Amino acid sequence: QKEVEQNSGPLSVPEGAIASLNCTYSDRGSQSFFWYRQYSGKSPELIMSIYSNGDKEDGRFTAQLNKASQYVSLLIRDSQPSDSATYLCAPGRVDEKLTFGTGTRLTIIP
Amino acid sequence: ETGVTQSPTHLIKTRGQQVTLRCSSQSGHNTVSWYQQALGQGPQFIFQYYREEENGRGNFPPRFSGLQFPNYSSELNVNALELDDSALYLCASSWDRRPEAFFGQGTRLTVV
Repeated sequence: QKEVEQNSGPLSVPEGAIASLNCTYSDRGSQSFFWYRQYSGKSPELIMSIYSNGDKEDGRFTAQLNKASQYVSLLIRDSQPSDSATYLCAPGRVDEKLTFGTGTRLTIIP
Repeated sequence: ETGVTQSPTHLIKTRGQQVTLRCSSQSGHNTVSWYQQALGQGPQFIFQYYREEENGRGNFPPRFSGLQFPNYSSELNVNALELDDSALYLCASSWDRRPEAFFGQGTRLTVV
């Protein structure tokens, strides 16, 4: 079993719709969860952090965490063409490395 | 506040050569982690430095080495380059080994 699993996509979503990105992880000791956005040829950019079960909203982005199910998701509302990128899920612990999934490639269709 | 900066941005080396990549951490950050990202994959952890000491290492051979300086900048050295070392090398900085990390723009290494 991979440590972090994401659907590689590509996930195609019409402009203005909600994009839903999912991630499962195997390390039950993970305490922090991060979503990074990576444009083609660029480095990852941190867009969301979540530490507690439930939802966390930041603008058009909502992260959802369920530690019991070892599941974290990212919702993007009102999707824009500029949201087209690869989204990386990364659970982490204090004093340890981040473990990344392979990422989900998202394409917003105008 | 300055962000994480890496140099060079692109590099082409010949198999068997050695390379040094450099990273300046974000202002106020004392922890630097290095990752290797092959095409189509997620970043893979190489090692982390905290206050000039190695604080964890991933599954990479000893020819990958590094160090951190008193100003918390860092270097990644790779000896005896192999074709499979071709990748995007990412440096990320954080505070006190916290996992919330911020990446530099990366160094694209091509080994021919």
